Parts: sequence; C-alpha cells; structure tokens
Amino acid sequence: GESVGLHLPTLSVQEGDNSIINCAYSNSASDYFIWYKQESGKGPQFIIDIRSNMDKRQGQRVTVLLNKTVKHLSLQIAATQPGDSAVYFCAENSGYSTLTFGKGTMLLVSP
Amino acid sequence: DTEVTQTPKHLVMGMTNKKSLKCEQHMGHRAMYWYKQKAKKPPELMFVYSYEKLSINESVPSRFSPECPNSSLLNLHLHALQPEDSALYLCASSHGQGTVDEQYFGPGTRLTVT
Repeated sequence: GESVGLHLPTLSVQEGDNSIINCAYSNSASDYFIWYKQESGKGPQFIIDIRSNMDKRQGQRVTVLLNKTVKHLSLQIAATQPGDSAVYFCAENSGYSTLTFGKGTMLLVSP
Repeated sequence: DTEVTQTPKHLVMGMTNKKSLKCEQHMGHRAMYWYKQKAKKPPELMFVYSYEKLSINESVPSRFSPECPNSSLLNLHLHALQPEDSALYLCASSHGQGTVDEQYFGPGTRLTVT
C-alpha cells in the first residue's frame, strides 16, 4: 500500500508485483517530463521520458503515462524487483531548458 | 562514454575554508548544471551553464561561485560556507542544443560544513 511518511511518501510492494508511482505537476505549459531513480548515496539515474505530444511511452519493464487534462504523470514498473527499491522523482521542464523536480516517492520492494 | 564524474566524493570543511568541487563530462554536452540536494528532498537547481556561459543563477548566495573553464569541466568554488550548506551537490549535463532533454547526473559530492 501507499503511505505518506514524515518526509517522503512511501510505496511498499512485494517482489513480482506491479508498482505505480504517481506525480502531479504544476505547469500546464510543461512539454517534457522525466522519471529518475535515485538509490541511496548515488545521483539520479534516468529511467524514461515523455513529451507532451504523447500520452504513453514504454521502456523495458517501465511505462510512463501522461494525462495533460489533470496534469498527472505516472510511472508503472512491471514485475518489481528488490533492485528497484529507490526514491523515484518526476521532473518537468520549467522553461529555459531546466527541470523542476517533484517531491519524490520511496519505493520499497520486499522479497 | 555516458558518464558524469564528480570529485571529491566526500568533503568536510570548516566555515572559514575555501574548497572547490569538480565535475567533468566527455559526452559533448553544451549545458551543465549544479544542483543542491538535502536529505529526502528533490534536487534544487543552483546554476546553469550553456555553451560555457552562466545562463541561470537561482539566487544562490555569493559564497558559492561557479566556473566553467571549458565545455567539459564545471567547478563550484566554496568559501565561508554555513552548516546549513551541508548537502549532496550534484552536477549534471545535457545536450543543451535547443529543446530541453535528459540530464545526466554525476554521483554527487557529499559536503559537510562544520
């Protein structure tokens, strides 16, 4: 299930489950979105991106869905593995070729 | 080579010290970035260099001074920092040619100000 911790929302799943991480963005003019994965002690790692002329994009075990009407972005991870445990950030372009990051969701995968 | 490297990995400095953080990429990217990240928070943009010129300074205090000696290198000079400046400092780069695109991040420098 999903719970909101003191500092970071957390999603706890069992290995093999599908995970869905959600993100609400603020700028209706944003036309580019990225999902990053950040493991403890490391820099953010690119997972998948999507431009606003698409509503779905698939990668290896991951799918990003974009709903521009309600300014919502989601990341679906199929067959979640313990190695997927990390903090996941969505980011939107905020003008001038820069990115603004969302608050992040911690994904905990138990065996 | 799709790697952004940062040195040092860890840095402890006093409030009167002067130190520098270094970042390097060899992907031919023309945009480079410095971010600050506190624990359990998202990265916050500090500076953007585009074609070796400072294009964005997000109202960062002058005790942080960026420098871009060439298209592959980015430095962050630190002087008279405060304990609240302790954080993970991330460098990133992107193609920077036209539309916004993926930023590649380095592993970061963990800075502790005592």
